[in-house]
Amino acid sequence: AQKITQTQPGMFVQEKEAVTLDCTYDTSDPSYGLFWYKQPSSGEMIFLIYQGSYDQQNATEGRYSLNFQKARKSANLVISASQLGDSAMYFCAMRELTGGGNKLTFGTGTQLKVEL
Amino acid sequence: EPEVTQTPSHQVTQMGQEVILRCVPISNHLYFYWYRQILGQKVEFLVSFYNNEISEKSEIFDDQFSVERPDGSNFTLKIRSTKLEDSAMYFCASSEDLHGYTFGSGTRLTVV
Repeated sequence: AQKITQTQPGMFVQEKEAVTLDCTYDTSDPSYGLFWYKQPSSGEMIFLIYQGSYDQQNATEGRYSLNFQKARKSANLVISASQLGDSAMYFCAMRELTGGGNKLTFGTGTQLKVEL
Repeated sequence: EPEVTQTPSHQVTQMGQEVILRCVPISNHLYFYWYRQILGQKVEFLVSFYNNEISEKSEIFDDQFSVERPDGSNFTLKIRSTKLEDSAMYFCASSEDLHGYTFGSGTRLTVV
């Protein structure tokens, strides 16, 4: 089974609107961390936001927030007030802290296009 | 803000040649990693390195690959006898703790 599933290969959103990028995960490790990265066309991986499995509150970083639903094993990224510069590929990733070492397992990504 | 630095940003090499990709992790980080992203595909873990030795490696990381920390700052990935399918973006990353996982900007390797 895939550890990280991103079911939206591509998404469109209008500028200034909010958009939700889906991510579900699969793990039996009780301790894990979830990450979102942005990859613009230039190729670098930009860290956006982190959620720990024991964190009580949903993570927020500026216009980014993570809708963490532990029972459903989902960690959706919400981008508010989209900007043209948000157009990029977005990856969800997981780190299993007990049995997974320190490596990150990535999803297949969602290509986001912000339109005027 | 501290950065992970990778050089070169682009490398073109002939099939069968050896390449060395270089990385300078963030100075107080203890864990170092290499990942690979074949064009249009997801990012894949290659190897993690801690305390001057490999702590974990994927099935991709076979005898063709090796890593080294030749001094106190650099972390290198060597690919011997490169193949066309080694063409990819290679990312170095480092981490200090559970959250601080920082990637470099990548080296785009093209094998011709």
